[in-house]
Amino acid sequence: QKEVEQNSGPLSVPEGAIASLNCTYSDRGSQSFFWYRQYSGKSPELIMSIYSNGDKEDGRFTAQLNKASQYVSLLIRDSQPSDSATYLCVLSGGSYIPTFGRGTSLIVHP
Amino acid sequence: DAGVIQSPRHEVTEMGQEVTLRCKPISGHDYLFWYRQTMMRGLELLIYFNNNVPIDDSGMPEDRFSAKMPNASFSTLKIQPSEPRDSAVYFCASSQTGVNQPQHFGDGTRLSIL
Repeated sequence: QKEVEQNSGPLSVPEGAIASLNCTYSDRGSQSFFWYRQYSGKSPELIMSIYSNGDKEDGRFTAQLNKASQYVSLLIRDSQPSDSATYLCVLSGGSYIPTFGRGTSLIVHP
Repeated sequence: DAGVIQSPRHEVTEMGQEVTLRCKPISGHDYLFWYRQTMMRGLELLIYFNNNVPIDDSGMPEDRFSAKMPNASFSTLKIQPSEPRDSAVYFCASSQTGVNQPQHFGDGTRLSIL
């Protein structure tokens, strides 16, 4: 059974700081990894996808994947109050259905 | 481009009533997913379709739940009879080419069963 573990938080960071969100998983067969952002009362929206080991950068966001250690992380540089949301880690692989983590709540305070 | 469209946005009904949730996926997307989100259990996959065919319904909680996809642009999720514990936000999502591809979510239906 696939498991995706995230610290529920809240993670509180000051504006302008780097926010680091982490996710560990149990299934070594996982191939695709995603980070979704969900504002309160809204639907999840994709912000990053990563498929191979290493770092992937997109603007202020960097996703990091380490398959040997079975973790994936999301770094948000220059955090803004508008980044305050719940961040969901998702993994899937082969014919496996996508598995969502419970999410980490991020609060960026001015 | 239009995203995933769900209706209704909110539904309040009494226990025992039939509830029908509707979803229109993004045109050209071959995969459609139905999720349920609660504070207690997070986001749970209920069922997904590929080219209108149900592939995995192992997440459907019980026989009171059913889902159909009669064509590529329309899907329904029905609950009959509804119970208070079915209260949740139900999301529909679609992806273009595979179950391992990014998904695009609709705005969700907030369901309250009294």
